Amino acid sequence: GQNIDQPTEMTATEGAIVQINCTYQTSGFNGLFWYQQHAGEAPTFLSYNVLDGLEEKGRFSSFLSRSKGYSYLLLKELQMKDSASYLCAVRARSNYQLIWGAGTKLIIKP
Amino acid sequence: KAGVTQTPRYLIKTRGQQVTLSCSPISGHRSVSWYQQTPGQGLQFLFEYFSETQRNKGNFPGRFSGRQFSNSRSEMNVSTLELGDSALYLCASSATGGAGDTEAFFGQGTRLTVV
Repeated sequence: GQNIDQPTEMTATEGAIVQINCTYQTSGFNGLFWYQQHAGEAPTFLSYNVLDGLEEKGRFSSFLSRSKGYSYLLLKELQMKDSASYLCAVRARSNYQLIWGAGTKLIIKP
Repeated sequence: KAGVTQTPRYLIKTRGQQVTLSCSPISGHRSVSWYQQTPGQGLQFLFEYFSETQRNKGNFPGRFSGRQFSNSRSEMNVSTLELGDSALYLCASSATGGAGDTEAFFGQGTRLTVV
């Protein structure tokens, strides 16, 4: 079976750091994606991991451990505009389709 | 480089009617995937088209169908609309839809409301 789990909602303070976790179970793995989606807008690409380790891109970093079926998205120096939903998706090796988690709604407070 | 264009942005339809949504992918991209998004459900995969062929299909009833044209533009059709079909329909464009793609680009979506 295939399953992606993320927390439903998280709250953090402006200027702080937050880590959003994603755990997955798939029959075959071919990469993990993180997307950001503001309310009423299209998802926009944040990061892609296919090998174990940390990928850093400005204030955002993404980590992957394939043996543990685990990823996290780390957001530093939080800004109010980071309030959004963060979607984790795993690409299945069998047909290269993306399997999506339900998303984590991140609320930033001043 | 133009992004992914979906039309229309908003639709209101009555139960029992049918609807057609359109998606124009990024120039040069040959894979188009369609998703349904409802609150708390995440993105549910409908189908993927590549080079005018449906390559993958999700677990949706036969009322949901699609097609892709030679210029890679894609349409999806929903017949005999039900209230539960109210959702945001998103299409995603990628170069090949395969292992080499490191990013998929989404359109703004079509918000369908069935009354």
